Amino acid sequence: NAGVMQNPRHLVRRRGQEARLRCSPMKGHSHVYWYRQLPEEGLKFMVYLQKENIIDESGMPKERFSAEFPKEGPSILRIQQVVRGDSAAYFCASSPPGDRANEQFFGPGTRLTVL
Amino acid sequence: KNEVEQSPQNLTAQEGEFITINCSYSVGISALHWLQQHPGGGIVSLFMLSSGKKKHGRLIATINIQEKHSSLHITASHPRDSAVYICAVSNNDMRFGAGTRLTVKP
Repeated sequence: NAGVMQNPRHLVRRRGQEARLRCSPMKGHSHVYWYRQLPEEGLKFMVYLQKENIIDESGMPKERFSAEFPKEGPSILRIQQVVRGDSAAYFCASSPPGDRANEQFFGPGTRLTVL
Repeated sequence: KNEVEQSPQNLTAQEGEFITINCSYSVGISALHWLQQHPGGGIVSLFMLSSGKKKHGRLIATINIQEKHSSLHITASHPRDSAVYICAVSNNDMRFGAGTRLTVKP
């Protein structure tokens, strides 16, 4: 049973480009969470999704950021018109169906660098 | 004041020492999590607990719900334990502490 997969592991973008980060949850998991870790800062919650539904996006910046978890395929975190301040490690976690407070399993992260 | 406070921020120990990292929180929780992050690496979930104590190998995690406090202990520490240890609490979402950077010297 593979763990949570994220790709790419490293992503370099120039200012103004789009960044797409992918997350494949563990088999049998239907809940996906995205977190951001800015350089020298702690982790911050961004968004919580179930299949085809955004449950909680209270941590998402109001503009340029969006997330989806389609019926088929990985969850996507999309950042449009990236700026230098978007440079961070983005972690995805997944948990099994049920209580949101279930144990979450983290992916290896995608390190985004905006030039 | 952060909702999840960890101490110490940084900790250096000699190999073999017993280590304690503390976590206090100020919000209602369903569970508390201890995570480990190696430099430049991913995040590993060490423990999830809502009461009492859990043990896994040389790691022990305890929680006191009344006092809103948890501790992570490492017995017989080893240089490979060097990492950032993060306390997180979950209810409707997950809130993270700033992490404790542990360095274990041989």
